[in-house]
Amino acid sequence: AQTVTQSQPEMSVQEAETVTLSCTYDTSESDYYLFWYKQPPSRQMILVIRQEAYKQQNATENRFSVNFQKAAKSFSLKISDSQLGDAAMYFCAYRRISGANSKLTFGKGITLSVRP
Amino acid sequence: GAVVSQHPSWVICKSGTSVKIECRSLDFQATTMFWYRQFPKQSLMLMATSNEGSKATYEQGVEKDKFLINHASLTLSTLTVTSAHPEDSSFYICSASIPGGRSNQPQHFGDGTRLSIL
Repeated sequence: AQTVTQSQPEMSVQEAETVTLSCTYDTSESDYYLFWYKQPPSRQMILVIRQEAYKQQNATENRFSVNFQKAAKSFSLKISDSQLGDAAMYFCAYRRISGANSKLTFGKGITLSVRP
Repeated sequence: GAVVSQHPSWVICKSGTSVKIECRSLDFQATTMFWYRQFPKQSLMLMATSNEGSKATYEQGVEKDKFLINHASLTLSTLTVTSAHPEDSSFYICSASIPGGRSNQPQHFGDGTRLSIL
């Protein structure tokens, strides 16, 4: 079975600074998808970024980028120029390649606070 | 974009009553929907996979008779918490993906239902 590990329960960053959230996973499959979701206090789940394992290039979405290390099974999220609205819980998630109906496996999440 | 609507957003009821939560895909047909439970400051725990026209697939440890799932149409799945007790109080979230897409397609989440059992 696949597992996703987020070992840091909390992190804090100064506004306008950069922060990196860690995630590791375990799988025996060679192809899969990885996601980062954001859950603000409203508890709405928001997709931040996604990475396809067969792509070597790290995904980027504006201020958000990932460092995907397939051999190390590591998938960290970097947030640049942190903003107050970035304060939220962030979940790393894994998904098998078996189609749109395959389920997500989530990590425990990390609570990010942004200091003004 | 694709939207998943969940209703109600918040419900408070007495112990022993049954509560139904609806999850609708508004602009696409969802053959599969997922139901999660989330405690404060914790991750989403998958409870079951709801399949249109067939029985739901429950995760290990989830009571099928306690959490009844019905997916009678391509746009609606319901979760009924039967004979709810205070320990069932939690945040319940549903999600769905546009069918026929690849696994890189994101799951679209409802806004969740906060269930409080007195």
